[in-house]
Formats: sequence, structure tokens, C-alpha cells
Amino acid sequence: DVKVTQSSRYLVKRTGEKVFLECVQDMDHENMFWYRQDPGLGLRLIYFSYDVKMKEKGDIPEGYSVSREKKERFSLILESASTNQTSMYLCASRKPGQNYGYTFGSGTRLTVV
Amino acid sequence: SQKIEQNSEALNIQEGKTATLTCNYTNYSPAYLQWYRQDPGRGPVFLLLIRENEKEKRKERLKVTFDTTLKQSLFHITASQPADSATYLCALDYSGGGADGLTFGKGTHLIIQP
Repeated sequence: DVKVTQSSRYLVKRTGEKVFLECVQDMDHENMFWYRQDPGLGLRLIYFSYDVKMKEKGDIPEGYSVSREKKERFSLILESASTNQTSMYLCASRKPGQNYGYTFGSGTRLTVV
Repeated sequence: SQKIEQNSEALNIQEGKTATLTCNYTNYSPAYLQWYRQDPGRGPVFLLLIRENEKEKRKERLKVTFDTTLKQSLFHITASQPADSATYLCALDYSGGGADGLTFGKGTHLIIQP
């Protein structure tokens, strides 16, 4: 089974801190994605990557950046954390081909205080 | 921008009955439509995918239909069980494979009562 592993389940950070959320997948998937999920708003796409060194903005990229130096790892960076970035962050990867859905990690619940 | 509507209210179904969840969207039809299950505090889990030229797809007790004229997908769970209780998300895929990201609905909370 494909595994998408997010490094932390729960994280508490202070306003203004630089925050790194790590995501690793073990099945050589090209495509990786970062979403945030908030009550009443659903899942929203922050950034995605077609392959190593590639990155594309999603629907809500402001205040975030990403890094994809290796195929298996996709990092989400909050440059200067703010309280409105308190959320559940979900990483996903996708097997190439048209008949496959996404494999999600278990999520990181980030609280910015 | 694209709008996706799923039942915002929780859906209560008696065990053994068929649960039917609705996903409606505006604007143009996606190449694919996907359904996910999400349990509290966990990431979504992929269930089924249906293409725009397919009317129906089945997997065990699950059935999905896709009507591009009505701009609607229906998700059915037959012989429902309490273990089917979860939030179900529909997701639209315009890139034909999801490479550009999926657009998710807010989900329907399904409760199967014993």
C-alpha cells in the first residue's frame, strides 16, 4: 500500500515563526499536493508539484511556499506564521494515469498562537 | 468560479437501507469526478472515480452515477452498516487524472443508525 507520511500530527507554533510541514511518500509518485481543511470551507489547494523541482500555485498560495528537492518529499513552508493559518494541513500524492485517486496523509493539525 | 454543493445537513440512514448522497456542481463538467471517505481527524480515502462519458460505476456495495446534463453525481451505499458512518467528499477533476489538483465539495456527514 502507498503511504503518505506527514511528520507531525499536532503542531503548535507562535505568530511570526517560520514553520515547515514535511510530507514523504514511498511509491515514486510524480504528483504531490498540499491542501488545508477548515470547517465550513472544505479542502482548499495551496500548492502542488508535477515532479522534482517543480511547483505550481493552487487556489490559496498566499503566505505559503513549497520545496520539492527529492521526488518523495514535498515540504510546505509558512514563512511567517499567522493565526489565520491555524488549520488541518493535508498532503497527497497521485499515481500517474487516469484511473487513480489521491492518497492522503493523516494530516497535521497546526495551531498558531 | 466552480461551485460544488453537497448536502450540508447530516444524513441519517437506518442500517441495511441504501444511503444516497448528492453532489451538484455549476459551470462546466469535469473530465472525472471522484468520491472520498473521511473519518474524523484523518485524511480522505479514495473510493471511486467516474469519467464524464460513463453513466455509472460500481465497486462492491458502492455505486456512483454521473449526469453531465443535470451536472450531478449520486453516490449510493447499499446494505449500509454503522461502519459506513463518515463524511463523504466529492471532488472534481478537470485535468483528466488530477495532475492539476482536485476541487472538493465540503462533504456530507453520513450516520448509519443500528
